[in-house]
Amino acid sequence: GQQLNQSPQSMFIQEGEDVSMNCTSSSIFNTWLWYKQDPGEGPVLLIALYKAGELTSNGRLTAQFGITRKDSFLNISASIPSDVGIYFCAGRSNTGNQFYFGTGTSLTVIP
Amino acid sequence: GAGVSQSPRYKVAKRGQDVALRCDPISGHVSLFWYQQALGQGPEFLTYFQNEAQLDKSGLPSDRFFAERPEGSVSTLKIQRTQQEDSAVYLCASSPRTGGFYEQYFGPGTRLTVT
Repeated sequence: GQQLNQSPQSMFIQEGEDVSMNCTSSSIFNTWLWYKQDPGEGPVLLIALYKAGELTSNGRLTAQFGITRKDSFLNISASIPSDVGIYFCAGRSNTGNQFYFGTGTSLTVIP
Repeated sequence: GAGVSQSPRYKVAKRGQDVALRCDPISGHVSLFWYQQALGQGPEFLTYFQNEAQLDKSGLPSDRFFAERPEGSVSTLKIQRTQQEDSAVYLCASSPRTGGFYEQYFGPGTRLTVT
């Protein structure tokens, strides 16, 4: 199946710092989704991207659909303790019905 | 409004037992997906329904796995003769649009432990 490389694998940051993470694929994708998952819960949708080059914000979160269509980026500004969790990217090509998920970025925010 | 719900939240089964996991999607969502999430990994696709039709079951790992959505709403994932490697979190997601192209909303998952 498709391989999504998500980096970094984990991050430890001070409250108030900005965060950047990215996801790359070996194939071209037509849709990118970013999710946050807390322990014992299902992933919660943060941002959906449908067009190459698209830049979309959701509060302090901003995500971009890379122009090569093989990558996507998520930025979190002015991090707060409740940003703690695992962030997953998910991408989908124009064939098949499935989204492929990355292995996640674990974010720890130190107050 | 109500989100995707799944039951049970936790299930312990002895190896060889059959289990049934339930998903109640968001009302009106035509698309429903099942995923398997191993510890420390991202979700992996199992199967996709558009209304009552199972359009893609390419991710089901063996013929012991069976899913249905007979009335186009509630879905059940059944695992027969469970094995230890079936231990994982099973996530259900629904989407308001068809084709699996668009945003998916997940339930809390069912954690299955096979002993």
